[in-house]
Amino acid sequence: KQEVTQIPAALSVPEGENLVLNCSFTDSAIYNLQWFRQDPGKGLTSLLLIQSSQREQTSGRLNASLDKSSGRSTLYIAASQPGDSATYLCAATGNQFYFGTGTSLTVIP
Amino acid sequence: GAVVSQHPSRVICKSGTSVKIECRSLDFQATTMFWYRQFPKQSLMLMATSNEGSKATYEQGVEKDKFLINHASLTLSTLTVTSAHPEDSSFYICSAPGQGDATNEKLFFGSGTQLSVL
Repeated sequence: KQEVTQIPAALSVPEGENLVLNCSFTDSAIYNLQWFRQDPGKGLTSLLLIQSSQREQTSGRLNASLDKSSGRSTLYIAASQPGDSATYLCAATGNQFYFGTGTSLTVIP
Repeated sequence: GAVVSQHPSRVICKSGTSVKIECRSLDFQATTMFWYRQFPKQSLMLMATSNEGSKATYEQGVEKDKFLINHASLTLSTLTVTSAHPEDSSFYICSAPGQGDATNEKLFFGSGTQLSVL
């Protein structure tokens, strides 16, 4: 069974810093990997989707990479802002979506 | 992007009552919808996959008679928590793939329903 792990569980950074969130998965046979953002008490918003044949995807200040062979994905956030504060979840897609436990990010003004 | 509407956003009910949660895809058709449950500070746990026109597929450990799922149309799936008890209190979220192959497309999520059973 696919297991998805996210490190760190929580992260606090001053505004303006660049940061990296990590996601690892045990089964490399995935269709794609997605990164989501969840605000407290809210649903999830899809940020980036990387197909299994791709290495990275970019959207604005966000860049996600995928290394299937090593079972890793990273989400890079440039020039962090207080509005980036949220929980970030990655999900590996096999026969279903397997979610990590998330990284709670706090950006301090 | 695709929009998934989930209603209600919050419900408080007495123990023993049933609660229905609706999930609608507003601008696209969804032959498949997923229902998740999330406990505080934990990740999403897939409960069941809702399929339009056929029975839902439940994950191991999820009681079919407890969590009734109906995928009535290509834009509507409902989850009914029957005879709710305090241990059913949780955050329930639905999602649907944007289009095409369910495993190869972005997932779009509803805003979630916070259920509190007294």
